[in-house]
Amino acid sequence: EAGVAQSPRYKIIEKRQSVAFWCNPISGHATLYWYQQILGQGPKLLIQFQNNGVVDDSQLPKDRFSAERLKGVDSTLKIQPAKLEDSAVYLCASSSLAGVPDTQYFGPGTRLTVL
Amino acid sequence: AQSVTQPDIHITVSEGASLELRCNYSYGATPYLFWYVQSPGQGLQLLLKYFSGDTLVQGIKGFEAEFKRSQSSFNLRKPSVHWSDAAEYFCAVVPIIQGAQKLVFGQGTRLTINP
Repeated sequence: EAGVAQSPRYKIIEKRQSVAFWCNPISGHATLYWYQQILGQGPKLLIQFQNNGVVDDSQLPKDRFSAERLKGVDSTLKIQPAKLEDSAVYLCASSSLAGVPDTQYFGPGTRLTVL
Repeated sequence: AQSVTQPDIHITVSEGASLELRCNYSYGATPYLFWYVQSPGQGLQLLLKYFSGDTLVQGIKGFEAEFKRSQSSFNLRKPSVHWSDAAEYFCAVVPIIQGAQKLVFGQGTRLTINP
């Protein structure tokens, strides 16, 4: 079974530029998550999708971050414009069950550096 | 405030020695409990989880964890560590909120193994 795929693995941009990350979850997984992991901290949930719909985006900085999950499969996370404090690893995860806690499977992450 | 605390930021043990990583949580109702491991450049991998039942949980790679309600703790243990266990370890919880699946992570404990 293929795991969660993410691209790119690394990205370096200047502040005020825009950037997009892509995630392909495990086949058949209904729930998809984006986490932000700042160096030295644990991951923090940015947004949770269940199929096409958003379940939780309470910690997503909506003035600059956006995310979508078209057709309930792949997802993209965008930052526009980026700030220095957005430097972090962005992790995508997926789980198979909807509405109940279940094992979340994580991708390798995208390391973003904002200069 | 609701939180997950890992008191030890960094632990060093000798290869073959026993290991215990501490985790405490502060929630009104006992949340669902998880331990994840993150090796350099890799995504998070689930070691074990506790939802209910036997308070001693066995996981992968020889790890186990014990849930103690009276101490609001879920400590991770391994009787004899291997050099390959060097990594970052995260305790995480899913609070008991209907429909919620958000993982809330602790700060992490970095484990170094001395040869």
